[in-house]
Amino acid sequence: GEDVEQSLFLSVREGDSSVINCTYTDSSSTYLYWYKQEPGAGLQLLTYIFSNMDMKQDQRLTVLLNKKDKHLSLRIADTQTGDSAIYFCAERNTGFQKLVFGTGTRLLVSP
Amino acid sequence: SQTIHQWPATLVQPVGSPLSLECTVEGTSNPNLYWYRQAAGRGLQLLFYSVGIGQISSEVPQNLSASRPQDRQFILSSKKLLLSDSGFYLCAWSVGNSPLHFGNGTRLTVT
Repeated sequence: GEDVEQSLFLSVREGDSSVINCTYTDSSSTYLYWYKQEPGAGLQLLTYIFSNMDMKQDQRLTVLLNKKDKHLSLRIADTQTGDSAIYFCAERNTGFQKLVFGTGTRLLVSP
Repeated sequence: SQTIHQWPATLVQPVGSPLSLECTVEGTSNPNLYWYRQAAGRGLQLLFYSVGIGQISSEVPQNLSASRPQDRQFILSSKKLLLSDSGFYLCAWSVGNSPLHFGNGTRLTVT
């Protein structure tokens, strides 16, 4: 079955870059997503990448996809304290309407 | 534009009491609808999804049920709550291969 894994915790200093990693097992994933969850709130879509792409950049966010290794990463440049949150990666399979989420990575940004 | 509403935002219920959480979507037709649960400190678990009125797929056997009485209304129910039902319940919608868009969630505490 599908499985998506992330490291649980990442701590960085304000102004540094953050890199959040994700691995997945389903080789037929079509879309991969990154969501952000602030305390007590729902999930906010940050960005997503189609499986035939290697990279996608959106302002401070860079998504890298290594389909051979089934590895997805999210890089946040110039990390700010407002970026502190839980970040979830998720994958969608062809023909399926549901997303499978990772366990989430808690990012803590210190001043 | 599309919006999603979930209520209530917070709920405290005793063990054995019934549950009804409601979710409605505006601004789109025939959306796919989802209920996820997030236990404290854990990732998201898909509970139910629906691709149309009266069509419900259950992902995890449990004492919860879901119904879709109207195109843009999704209800999560239980006849008798258990302590283990405590968590953060999130409703989401999508259309076709679009990303999932989440509501603000309901924090349920079963006492």
